[in-house]
Amino acid sequence: GAGVSQTPSNKVTEKGKYVELRCDPISGHTALYWYRQSLGQGPEFLIYFQGTGAADDSGLPNDRFFAVRPEGSVSTLKIQRTERGDSAVYLCASSPGVARYNEQFFGPGTRLTVL
Amino acid sequence: RKEVEQDPGPFNVPEGATVAFNCTYSNSASQSFFWYRQDCRKEPKLLMSVYSSGNEDGRFTAQLNRASQYISLLIRDSKLSDSATYLCSGYGNNRLAFGKGNQVVVIP
Repeated sequence: GAGVSQTPSNKVTEKGKYVELRCDPISGHTALYWYRQSLGQGPEFLIYFQGTGAADDSGLPNDRFFAVRPEGSVSTLKIQRTERGDSAVYLCASSPGVARYNEQFFGPGTRLTVL
Repeated sequence: RKEVEQDPGPFNVPEGATVAFNCTYSNSASQSFFWYRQDCRKEPKLLMSVYSSGNEDGRFTAQLNRASQYISLLIRDSKLSDSATYLCSGYGNNRLAFGKGNQVVVIP
């Protein structure tokens, strides 16, 4: 079946610009997570949704970052006034639920480069 | 201190050898643990889940030691195709916390 998809696969932008990153989870998965991975590091948690609501956004680095999931399926991560330090791979993952045994399935990521 | 610590390596492993890594975690509330495999410029893919003391799948064995707060991964009879980064993660507080990963290079 179809896995998690993310678009675009690559995004190059200039400092100060606004970007939107999209995630399409596996159909029927209620939990959706955003992580950020910098070179040589493991993924770092940003935010997770259970259904339509952001259940935990404590990993968002500052108020330039925002994410939505209006219909409980597709999610968009929005970054305002991008900075060079935002350059990373943004990974989305989905899971059937948030129970401890639920595997998280990752999408291919969006590689963001801020010039 | 990071929640999950791993020695990034690289670990150069002769083909056919056995290699083992440890991963330590600091969050005692972590409920379950996962080893993910990540190939260069690809997304993490689940290798093994560890909920109680351990798990075995073919050439791969994972062990959990809650008293000492570490998880290990053992790879037997290493193949060239095992070359990748192995990410250790703990699940708690409704999210995964990852280590930096162990980079493994299997050498012919």
